[in-house]
Order: sequence, then structure tokens, then C-alpha cells
Amino acid sequence: SQKIEQNSEALNIQEGKTATLTCNYTNYSPAYLQWYRQDPGRGPVFLLLIRENEKEKRKERLKVTFDTTLKQSLFHITASQPADSATYLCALEGDMRFGAGTRLTVKP
Amino acid sequence: NAGVTQTPKFQVLKTGQSMTLQCAQDMNHEYMSWYRQDPGMGLRLIHYSVGAGITDQGEVPNGYNVSRSTTEDFPLRLLSAAPSQTSVYFCASSLGWREDNEQFFGPGTRLTVL
Repeated sequence: SQKIEQNSEALNIQEGKTATLTCNYTNYSPAYLQWYRQDPGRGPVFLLLIRENEKEKRKERLKVTFDTTLKQSLFHITASQPADSATYLCALEGDMRFGAGTRLTVKP
Repeated sequence: NAGVTQTPKFQVLKTGQSMTLQCAQDMNHEYMSWYRQDPGMGLRLIHYSVGAGITDQGEVPNGYNVSRSTTEDFPLRLLSAAPSQTSVYFCASSLGWREDNEQFFGPGTRLTVL
């Protein structure tokens, strides 16, 4: 069955630095992969989608890469701010299986 | 548009009780789904629906029933609550199934089963 892993449960970085979150998957070749942000006590909110034929996608300070050979997606937040502190989830196309998430804390 | 709404926000049940978690969306989305979220385990799909009258099981369907009589509503029923069903439940909707559409999530229902 599909397996999706986000290899860091928590990530702490200093304001202004780039945060890099990793999503790995096995036993599947998704046509696309999505990233969501979740704040405490709230539902996830969609951020970005990247398709299998796209190597990279950007949206403002966010950048997502998708390496179908490595079966991995990287999610970057540049010039991070304390307001970026949240849990970030990746999800695979298909039955929309989600990773457990990485809790990012950006310290001023 | 209200988006995806869920009621109640919080619920405490005793073991063996039944209840229905309500979910509604006003975006005319065909696809709706229910997830549960437990610490360290991410979101797990319980049931989903690709349109009115059509439902199917997800990864963890046992102990839950769903129906989809209208496009707007997708209630989740717990037939006989168990402590293992203590969790946060999210309803989501999107334009289509297995299409590259974003999912819109509701605010969640926090359920505790004693």
C-alpha cells in the first residue's frame, strides 16, 4: 500500500532563514502531490500542488520540488517569519493519503 | 460562501452511544470526504463520496457509516462509539475525485469517547 512520510516531526529555525521540509513516499507513482498548512485547532489549508511533470513550482516565498526518481518532494519557505509557524502536511494524489506533518516553529 | 461547515465543534460521548457528525458545503463540489486526525498519524481517510448517492470506504472505515443524499451534505454516523474513536474529525470537499483540485477542509469536530 502507499506510504507517505514526512521525516521531521518538528523543525525550529531562526527568522529570515529558509525552512526546508521533506516528504517521501513509496509504493506509488502519484500524478501530483499537494502541500497544506494547518494551524492549531483548524482544518488544513491548501498551499501548492505540483504535478509529476513539473520539477519545481513557486508561490511568493514558497517553493516546492518534486523528484519522481527519488520519490520525494521538498517544500521550502524562504525568508521565514514567525507567522509561518504551523504544521505543514503533504498529500498524495489518489486516495489523498496525508503525511503526519512537520511542525515548523520560526523564532524571532 | 460559507465553504465547508461542520457541527458540532466539540462532543463527548459515552461508550456505546451513537451520533452523527454533520458536514455541509456550498461550493457545489462533487467530491466529499471524512478524515480523522490523531497525534503523530496524520489525516486518515474514513469514507468518501464522488457524488450524490455514491459513497466508498477509505483507509479506516470500521465503526462509521456515511450517506450522500444531496450534493451539499455528507454526514458521518458513529453507530456505537468506542474510546478508539476519540479523535478530531475533518470533512473536506473538492471539485472532483482524483483530479488536481485542492481540498477545502472544515474546522473540525473534536470527539471524546469515555
